[in-house]
Amino acid sequence: GEDVEQSLFLSVREGDSSVINCTYTDSSSTYLYWYKQEPGAGLQLLTYIFSNMDMKQDQRLTVLLNKKDKHLSLRIADTQTGDSAIYFCAVNSGGYQKVTFGTGTKLQVIP
Amino acid sequence: EAQVTQNPRYLITVTGKKLTVTCSQNMNHEYMSWYRQDPGLGLRQIYYSMNVEVTDKGDVPEGYKVSRKEKRNFPLILESPSPNQTSLYFCASRPDGLLTGELFFGEGSRLTVL
Repeated sequence: GEDVEQSLFLSVREGDSSVINCTYTDSSSTYLYWYKQEPGAGLQLLTYIFSNMDMKQDQRLTVLLNKKDKHLSLRIADTQTGDSAIYFCAVNSGGYQKVTFGTGTKLQVIP
Repeated sequence: EAQVTQNPRYLITVTGKKLTVTCSQNMNHEYMSWYRQDPGLGLRQIYYSMNVEVTDKGDVPEGYKVSRKEKRNFPLILESPSPNQTSLYFCASRPDGLLTGELFFGEGSRLTVL
């Protein structure tokens, strides 16, 4: 089945950029997602990218997709303490209904 | 307010005592799914349902049952809970025809089995 990998932790200083990386195995994935989980809450979709795109920018967020290397990244510019959360990479595979999540990256923002 | 509601949010139980975690959505979504979240393992899918009376196994279905008698409800049943089912559980839903496939999550149910 699909395998989605992320590093578990990332620590950055407030105001710096954060880059969270993800690798996946299914080259037929159509949509790739980033979800954010704040403490004590469920996951919320942060952004997504369609597989025919290389980059998507949305305010402070930039998503980069390298299909050849099956690598997805999320860059958060000017990281704030409110960005402290767990970020999950997710990809659809095996058909539209199957979404596989990564292990999640816990982002810690140091004031 | 559009939402996915899970109950209970927190539960401590003992091995073998049957329990049900309820999930209800008010968005008329066809697709519903249960996940468990464990440290270092991310979210793993337990069961999903494409519509009423249509359910299927996810990646880790052992020890769980589900039913989908109504569109809005998708309860997760643990017939004989064991300590390895101690976890944080999430219910999620999604409408058919939403090409992006965005999932809408409940706030989670933290289950401890002693």
